[in-house]
This record gives sequence, structure tokens and C-alpha cells, in this order.
Amino acid sequence: DTGVSQNPRHKITKRGQNVTFRCDPISEHNRLYWYRQTLGQGPEFLTYFQNEAQLEKSRLLSDRFSAERPKGSFSTLEIQRTEQGDSAMYLCASSFDSLEGYTFGSGTRLTVV
Amino acid sequence: QKEVEQDPGPLSVPEGAIVSLNCTYSNSAFQYFMWYRQYSRKGPELLMYTYSSGNKEDGRFTAQVDKSSKYISLFIRDSQPSDSATYLCALQAAGNKLTFGGGTRVLVKP
Repeated sequence: DTGVSQNPRHKITKRGQNVTFRCDPISEHNRLYWYRQTLGQGPEFLTYFQNEAQLEKSRLLSDRFSAERPKGSFSTLEIQRTEQGDSAMYLCASSFDSLEGYTFGSGTRLTVV
Repeated sequence: QKEVEQDPGPLSVPEGAIVSLNCTYSNSAFQYFMWYRQYSRKGPELLMYTYSSGNKEDGRFTAQVDKSSKYISLFIRDSQPSDSATYLCALQAAGNKLTFGGGTRVLVKP
């Protein structure tokens, strides 16, 4: 197992287009998290799954954002009608009932032009 | 006012020096305290995790928590150029989400 995998690593899109990111967590981890990080800032929490259930969503997650984790394995984060303010690094993390195993992926860098 | 405050730096030190980093927080509900290291264009990497006031050591790293003052610190001994990175404190209250500081950029000069 090579850790948390995120694809694509980079995405450039035009304003108004939809984008989808994928996260493959560490296989035995039942918890999966999405964060967003802008330049010079710390990551900000977006949403959290335990297995396939989405248990918490931040108010940062507007109606244009949707996340899924079918079958409790990989997760996708979709942004509809992208705006320039959506440009950021989108980080995925996973854990197994313990903060000590809270492992982040390398992120997907989104640029909206 | 942010829930977690962290000096953005940059903090520049010579190789071998002790690096001292800190965060202050306002929410007394925070129970768990973590330090992450983040290299450029990479995800954060967990360095230290603690939940009680006092010190915790792991190799060259020491994490210190003072809940009464709402102040946490990370010390890096015998700093190396490879320690040059951004260091993020992360705090957790009830639930699973982490609240991060803004990060401190550290430069260790050979």
C-alpha cells in the first residue's frame, strides 16, 4: 500500500466547467476527509465520510460541491460551475479510528482560468 | 479572529540550531494537538500527536502543550536543511475535523 492517492495531480479548467477529483485512501482506513488549502494558508475542512456515510459537511461546501464515497472505498469530489475562487489545493486524508493514522495525500491542485 | 493563530514566518536558522514554533488557540474545547510538516506541492505529513498538557519527545522533535495558556509548541533540535518546510499545527475538538493554523515556513541554511 503506497498511502493516500489523489488524481489528477493538477487540473486547469475554464470558469463555468465542472471538475471531478478522485481519492483512493489507505485500504484499511474507514474514515476519509476532504480539505481545501489556498496559498499561504492551512488546510480547511470540507467534509468527512465514515465508510460510505457522509457524516459532516463544512459550510464551505456550497451547493456546487458534492462528494461521494460509494461502497466505502474511493471518494470523488465534484465541483460544478467552477469559479476563480475555487482555485486551491484539494487534499484528501484517511484514518482508521485514530488520529495517529490521519494520513494526507499529495493533493489535487485546481486552477480556474 | 482565527481559532488558531500561527506566525507565518519565514523563520530562518543556521544548520544545527534549535527551531522553535508555536501556535495559540482560543477554543478551550480543543483536546488533541498535532504538528504536520508540509513540503512544497506535497500533502501535510504528521510529525507529532498529543492530547495532554506537557512534553512529548520523538527523536529530534519535542511537542509541548499548555492547555491553561492555550499555547502549543514544537521544537526541532539539531536542525538540518532537509527540515526546511512549512510546519502546521492542527487541533481537534469533538468530532473528526482538524482545525489548522496558517503554517510557519522554516528555512534551515547550511
